[in-house]
Amino acid sequence: DVKVTQSSRYLVKRTGEKVFLECVQDMDHENMFWYRQDPGLGLRLIYFSYDVKMKEKGDIPEGYSVSREKKERFSLILESASTNQTSMYLCASTPVSSNQPQHFGDGTRLSIL
Amino acid sequence: AQTVTQSQPEMSVQEAETVTLSCTYDTSESDYYLFWYKQPPSRQMILVIRQEAYKQQNATENRFSVNFQKAAKSFSLKISDSQLGDAAMYFCAYRSLISNFGNEKLTFGTGTRLTIIP
Repeated sequence: DVKVTQSSRYLVKRTGEKVFLECVQDMDHENMFWYRQDPGLGLRLIYFSYDVKMKEKGDIPEGYSVSREKKERFSLILESASTNQTSMYLCASTPVSSNQPQHFGDGTRLSIL
Repeated sequence: AQTVTQSQPEMSVQEAETVTLSCTYDTSESDYYLFWYKQPPSRQMILVIRQEAYKQQNATENRFSVNFQKAAKSFSLKISDSQLGDAAMYFCAYRSLISNFGNEKLTFGTGTRLTIIP
């Protein structure tokens, strides 16, 4: 069965810290995505990657960066965490195929104090 | 850019009854995919149903069906015989048909929270 694993379910960090959110998929998918979910705003795309070492900005990339050194792993980095980055973060993956849906991880609820 | 609108932040339905969740979208593309995802309190996003825009027939998955009106850019979800396990956030999502260089990204609506009344 398809599996997308996010390293932490809950995370609490302090303002100014560098924060890493990790995501691993076991399906050999080319595409991986990071979304942010906020009440009343739905899910918004932060960054995505369609291949190793390739990355593209989504709709809200400011304050974030990503890393994809291996096909199965896609990391989201908050360079200097701020309180407005407190949110739920969801990772997803999908193969390069016209009719395949995205598979999601269970999410990381991040609180920045 | 594509946009997806869900105008009902919250809905409730009596157990065993039928409920319809609304979704409209805006796009200049002629072919695309539309999805309904369910997010229960466990937070796992679960695909409920998928519709290809080039198919005229409305998709159906057991108790879930859609009313896809391409000209009106409307994509509503009907849940029949509602069950307690249907309680969740429901998100409508759009995806381009063309698949390359990460074009598989989804554009989501803001969600509808569905409550099932026993």
